[in-house]
Amino acid sequence: EAQVTQNPRYLITVTGKKLTVTCSQNMNHEYMSWYRQDPGLGLRQIYYSMNVEVTDKGDVPEGYKVSRKEKRNFPLILESPSPNQTSLYFCASSFVGAPYGYTFGSGTRLTVV
Amino acid sequence: QQQVKQSPQSLIVQKGGISIINCAYENTAFDYFPWYQQFPGKGPALLIAIRPDVSEKKEGRFTISFNKSAKQFSLHIMDSQPGDSATYFCAASIRAAGNKLTFGGGTRVLVKP
Repeated sequence: EAQVTQNPRYLITVTGKKLTVTCSQNMNHEYMSWYRQDPGLGLRQIYYSMNVEVTDKGDVPEGYKVSRKEKRNFPLILESPSPNQTSLYFCASSFVGAPYGYTFGSGTRLTVV
Repeated sequence: QQQVKQSPQSLIVQKGGISIINCAYENTAFDYFPWYQQFPGKGPALLIAIRPDVSEKKEGRFTISFNKSAKQFSLHIMDSQPGDSATYFCAASIRAAGNKLTFGGGTRVLVKP
């Protein structure tokens, strides 16, 4: 089944404790992206990647890092999480030039206390 | 500044009624306008999309109306059903600029039986 898999689904952590949210896709998509979803703000792009070793900032990159060492994986790293990063996070992937083909993961609900 | 503004934030409609969600955008370079549907605990999924050279697109009970001069587009859900209860997001993209989707703030729709 074609899908984007995120882990974990739920995470509660403390301020300052580094964490990684993993994202993997099995559709051979070049493009991968991370969004955060907050009430009333919709989904805002954090980082994206056009291909292996090619990443760039989205609209709200502060406090986040990403890497793209393999085509299928695009982990999101919070090196020193803060309470304002409490949110619902989504990973998405598509072929380049095909915004209509976005596939989203099921989400990771992160709480930073 | 939110580039895509969506209203209302929530709406309640009786079964069989019409749900209407409106979006307005600022950037005239946007050339792809999708709507996403999101059920609780799931990622957003593409529902229907339109390009600005078309004024209306219909797929089953879902219709997008597009007004290029007013920079507005809307989603109409005809004969609303309880299974349509979800959060709906409008979005916009510039296809030549990559795959980034800019989302509206979302509308939570509740269809009462």
